[in-house]
Amino acid sequence: DTAVSQTPKYLVTQMGNDKSIKCEQNLGHDTMYWYKQDSKKFLKIMFSYNNKELIINETVPNRFSPKSPDKAHLNLHINSLELGDSAVYFCASSPRGTGIYGYTFGSGTRLTVV
Amino acid sequence: GQQLNQSPQSMFIQEGEDVSMNCTSSSIFNTWLWYKQDPGEGPVLLIALYKAGELTSNGRLTAQFGITRKDSFLNISASIPSDVGIYFCAGQRSNFGNEKLTFGTGTRLTIIP
Repeated sequence: DTAVSQTPKYLVTQMGNDKSIKCEQNLGHDTMYWYKQDSKKFLKIMFSYNNKELIINETVPNRFSPKSPDKAHLNLHINSLELGDSAVYFCASSPRGTGIYGYTFGSGTRLTVV
Repeated sequence: GQQLNQSPQSMFIQEGEDVSMNCTSSSIFNTWLWYKQDPGEGPVLLIALYKAGELTSNGRLTAQFGITRKDSFLNISASIPSDVGIYFCAGQRSNFGNEKLTFGTGTRLTIIP
């Protein structure tokens, strides 16, 4: 059983399209995150949800909209995709909203915008 | 946002060599974590450190929480091919609360045949 699973693993799409990435965790964690990893491998937080409530929203274009229907799921919808959105997007989760026990990451979604 | 600076940025070593890398910050962190990322996968937690001066091992890996609380170190002894990957440090300033982890810039380890 995969602890944090993301779908799809790969996503190739044209500029201007709208796409979604889904994430599910079966660890019983309260908090879920979206991270973006660029071509230089920098990991940058985008959003964090704690029990379906948005708690972190970094400086991310409003074309990106997260949704958490329940604490086990956090989806990411991206409107009007741009070339610069190409990256690997990681979902992660942690217990009780703290990072001190570490985050558990999914295996990533590689988004390529052409 | 703040990033933690990791050094070196990349390492090329031969199998069997020992490896040392570090992570520094301009501000104090009360939790330090080390992750490894394999190609095509997400980062996986290796070691967590919670107290200044703490030294913790996980097999051939040993990590230390710097005394100043502004740095951390990771050592790998007798490297093997599966050690190849990118190593990230991560820190959290407080020991509780909804504070996000700050990640380092990464150290890419390559083993030369």
